[in-house]
Amino acid sequence: NAGVTQTPKFQVLKTGQSMTLQCAQDMNHNSMYWYRQDPGMGLRLIYYSASEGTTDKGEVPNGYNVSRLNKREFSLRLESAAPSQTSVYFCASSALEAQRGATYEQYFGPGTRLTVT
Amino acid sequence: QKEVEQNSGPLSVPEGAIASLNCTYSDRGSQSFFWYRQYSGKSPELIMFIYSNGDKEDGRFTAQLNKASQYVSLLIRDSQPSDSATYLCAPRSSGAGSYQLTFGKGTKLSVIP
Repeated sequence: NAGVTQTPKFQVLKTGQSMTLQCAQDMNHNSMYWYRQDPGMGLRLIYYSASEGTTDKGEVPNGYNVSRLNKREFSLRLESAAPSQTSVYFCASSALEAQRGATYEQYFGPGTRLTVT
Repeated sequence: QKEVEQNSGPLSVPEGAIASLNCTYSDRGSQSFFWYRQYSGKSPELIMFIYSNGDKEDGRFTAQLNKASQYVSLLIRDSQPSDSATYLCAPRSSGAGSYQLTFGKGTKLSVIP
């Protein structure tokens, strides 16, 4: 049981390049999230997916797109990277009320450290 | 805009002392409250959570809620150097999107040996 996994762990991009951050969970959770964390800014929600087939914008969605590929996988894409997107990106997942014993806590992946030069 | 406020710290306590971490929240309808610990360079991990109907104790950790004043606290008894980390408070939203958590920016705790 790996929990939430993310790839890659580290990435350096040049301005204008694109990339996709991958996230997968094996806890049968319905909901998945993408956050970015910057010094002094805390965790900010980029996009979330309440359940398979749905995605919604969070607090800071500009410059990003997401795909909920299936129940397990939720990817984050940067189409044209900018230095302002230098950050640590965390994927998280949680159960929904309909799932037995759900208490809504989010489980986090190890993070991707992205630098855009 | 739902807001969660935490003193950024650092909060320094001597080993063996009680560390008290506080968090205020704006969403009066929040149903449950989560505390996460984040070591430097690592991802957040859940320590404990409480529902809006009561406090909770788990080992050295106690979470307390003051609904009238809209703040939640985390007490760490017999603080250890290994408790040195940033602690994130996260109320669960009420209403639409009620499965979401809103995270505070965290309080950095330093336990001095």
